[in-house]
Amino acid sequence: EPEVTQTPSHQVTQMGQEVILRCVPISNHLYFYWYRQILGQKVEFLVSFYNNEISEKSEIFDDQFSVERPDGSNFTLKIRSTKLEDSAMYFCASSEREGNTEAFFGQGTRLTVV
Amino acid sequence: KQEVTQIPAALSVPEGENLVLNCSFTDSAIYNLQWFRQDPGKGLTSLLLIQSSQREQTSGRLNASLDKSSGRSTLYIAASQPGDSATYLCAVRQNAGGTSYGKLTFGQGTILTVHP
Repeated sequence: EPEVTQTPSHQVTQMGQEVILRCVPISNHLYFYWYRQILGQKVEFLVSFYNNEISEKSEIFDDQFSVERPDGSNFTLKIRSTKLEDSAMYFCASSEREGNTEAFFGQGTRLTVV
Repeated sequence: KQEVTQIPAALSVPEGENLVLNCSFTDSAIYNLQWFRQDPGKGLTSLLLIQSSQREQTSGRLNASLDKSSGRSTLYIAASQPGDSATYLCAVRQNAGGTSYGKLTFGQGTILTVHP
């Protein structure tokens, strides 16, 4: 069964460093998303991406964050100059289409900023 | 702004009990609602997707209902087992007439413990 794959599963980084979280969405999906979950809190939407551009972003997704689809398979989230409060589980998701469709999630990357 | 609330926050039951988890949302303009399972420190596993035009969806021992007009969904788990212990999340997909590209809004989850 097709699945969304995320790497790494766990990343530890020092405050101020840049990190890149990677995702391989399901191959025929066109809509891609990043969510995050701070420990003990709700899963929060960060950004959606379609047709090689951001289609929607939340207030959380400020200039510190960027997304890219560098090739036909990968979808990345870059966090510049990480802060302690960026420590969270980051989930990638993909959907086949817009609207009434199912979202498929990866297993997440646990980011720890020290 | 869509708000999703889940009740109860935590539930502990003996094995074999039937149980109901509740989810409510403030904006009924949704495409669908998904129920997820999350094990501690792990990812999100989709359990059921119920479309806005549907009233019910079933998968094995799980049954989800949706009352869109009142902004409520329930997840019914029959004959609970210790392996069902996890956090259960509901999430709604907004129908915002082209201004929303399918983002999900999540509830805070119900932590379920089924003890032998």
